[in-house]
Amino acid sequence: DAGITQSPRHKVTETGTPVTLRCHQTENHRYMYWYRQDPGHGLRLIHYSYGVKDTDKGEVSDGYSVSRSKTEDFLLTLESATSSQTSVYFCAISESMDRGEETQYFGPGTRLLVL
Amino acid sequence: AQSVTQLGSHVSVSEGALVLLRCNYSSSVPPYLFWYVQYPNQGLQLLLKYTSAATLVKGINGFEAEFKKSETSFHLTKPSAHMSDAAEYFCAVSHNTDKLIFGTGTRLQVFP
Repeated sequence: DAGITQSPRHKVTETGTPVTLRCHQTENHRYMYWYRQDPGHGLRLIHYSYGVKDTDKGEVSDGYSVSRSKTEDFLLTLESATSSQTSVYFCAISESMDRGEETQYFGPGTRLLVL
Repeated sequence: AQSVTQLGSHVSVSEGALVLLRCNYSSSVPPYLFWYVQYPNQGLQLLLKYTSAATLVKGINGFEAEFKKSETSFHLTKPSAHMSDAAEYFCAVSHNTDKLIFGTGTRLQVFP
């Protein structure tokens, strides 16, 4: 199994509070991704990173920011959580994004409930 | 733009029966196609992927999928279902530098 951990695994928070989710990898992969999973939508890309301090937006980036100060860590921040951000969040990693055939490896997920 | 459509959000089969999960893709260029499986309360795990080397792709746990360009399909099959196959299955597409686009998923139930 790819060495990917996510913390926390479960979180309950209130509307308007900031939330930070952490993804940590031990594979030294260059690319890291944050997805959200919602019923009827599958997985949707929020943000991704192609190196330290190099990040870009995905399909559903509004309301989210990311940071990557070290190869192994990729943080997802909800500046002011809303109920629509209640979801399961997955981190993924890949060695490359230059060719679409590269496999992405997923972490165990973080279940976030915004009240 | 690329997309995938998974027909049937829920599929139920009896143990020992054929499993068929459908995936159709839309892509203007030759795609790379993936099937992932998600067991309850876990992350996604790669089952198999098509990268143009062979149209019939064999994956883990006895699953296989066939790329059919004329039908723009990449259906997932397994000859005989096991109880342990109960999970959610996601089809995904990408090409070159594009990102991975997921379908909405199919939940497989296996009855004894």
